[in-house]
Amino acid sequence: RKEVEQDPGPFNVPEGATVAFNCTYSNSASQSFFWYRQDCRKEPKLLMSVYSSGNEDGRFTAQLNRASQYISLLIRDSKLSDSATYLCVVNRVYGGSQGNLIFGKGTKLSVKP
Amino acid sequence: DTEVTQTPKHLVMGMTNKKSLKCEQHMGHRAMYWYKQKAKKPPELMFVYSYEKLSINESVPSRFSPECPNSSLLNLHLHALQPEDSALYLCASSQGPSGTTNEKLFFGSGTQLSVL
Repeated sequence: RKEVEQDPGPFNVPEGATVAFNCTYSNSASQSFFWYRQDCRKEPKLLMSVYSSGNEDGRFTAQLNRASQYISLLIRDSKLSDSATYLCVVNRVYGGSQGNLIFGKGTKLSVKP
Repeated sequence: DTEVTQTPKHLVMGMTNKKSLKCEQHMGHRAMYWYKQKAKKPPELMFVYSYEKLSINESVPSRFSPECPNSSLLNLHLHALQPEDSALYLCASSQGPSGTTNEKLFFGSGTQLSVL
């Protein structure tokens, strides 16, 4: 299994749709999980952290399933401005110690009028 | 707007040139990072500085030379680059050192580098 693997995309959805992205990670000892958003030719920006209990921020909900080593991001009521690439980010583990963050390849979302 | 500032935003250089990329943050963050990102690929870690000391070098060729003059500044010195080094170079910082649980990265807007 790759260290961080995401849905390949692209996802093309109409405004108002609900869309879900999935991500799997290989190391069960990883402790840090995030979703970042990256617009074309811009830097990645933190969208939200992902916690075991799940967390919500407005139209965005992130969930973590440690048993399955699986992270998800749900976007409700999609807006045109949600069009971007969504990057799943997980930390590496070196010999039992938490290491630096690594990025999945990203899933591209296009929201159409 | 990002609080991590990178200069220049764009850079074109020849293979024999020497140039430097600069990064600055004033958030009091203790770790700073260089990432390289090619088009349609995720950012790839190059170097990490924690408390101004190089803590991670991801087997980056010696034509890339990082420098951390103080806790707010991070430079990347470039020499004898190849065309395949053309990419977006992103600087990032985090409040705690790399490896701290739930430590978030904050990115600068990047330097788009073209090597001719």
